[in-house]
Amino acid sequence: DQQVKQNSPSLSVQEGRISILNCDYTNSMFDYFLWYKKYPAEGPTFLISISSIKDKNEDGRFTVFLNKSAKHLSLHIVPSQPGDSAVYFCAASFNGNTGKLIFGQGTTLQVKP
Amino acid sequence: GAVVSQHPSWVICKSGTSVKIECRSLDFQATTMFWYRQFPKQSLMLMATSNEGSKATYEQGVEKDKFLINHASLTLSTLTVTSAHPEDSSFYICSARVAGGPGELFFGEGSRLTVL
Repeated sequence: DQQVKQNSPSLSVQEGRISILNCDYTNSMFDYFLWYKKYPAEGPTFLISISSIKDKNEDGRFTVFLNKSAKHLSLHIVPSQPGDSAVYFCAASFNGNTGKLIFGQGTTLQVKP
Repeated sequence: GAVVSQHPSWVICKSGTSVKIECRSLDFQATTMFWYRQFPKQSLMLMATSNEGSKATYEQGVEKDKFLINHASLTLSTLTVTSAHPEDSSFYICSARVAGGPGELFFGEGSRLTVL
């Protein structure tokens, strides 16, 4: 039972444009959501997070939007840069940022120069 | 940011042997570390929570006698895959949080296990 789903395995965008990565979840008890970026042969690195009491969190080029009624969150990267090319995972947890994360399958983003 | 290191980064072993994977927090202390497993084209799945000085907490469906976890110090947790079989071949990755902090998790580089 995949509680966190990233239905797009890959995404390709042009440098300078917006990248939108989507994530859906099924468990309404999740109250904390995170996005991680992963390069090959490296561990995931934290990008940005959002608590379920918010609907938007912004950090530089990265913005996460949360739509609780739709059980959907998205990560916007603008402007996209070639160095953003990586696998992006969304993750969710119960009871705040406990460290016990449920991950999506990941979306491979390619930003073309 | 803080650094978490895993060793070995890849290992090939024969079926029936045991393999130990180390997870170290290099520049911080971690009372809790998490072990994940990722099969090809699938998401990272939490296997267990490693607690310094006490027994690990395993997720449902994870055999504690097969995946032995030891967290003997504030900077080291080990995962031993006992009597490995080909179906245990996977990418194992650990994460840690700074002790006493509410902040982000730091992940290791991962360890690729191939059981022949």
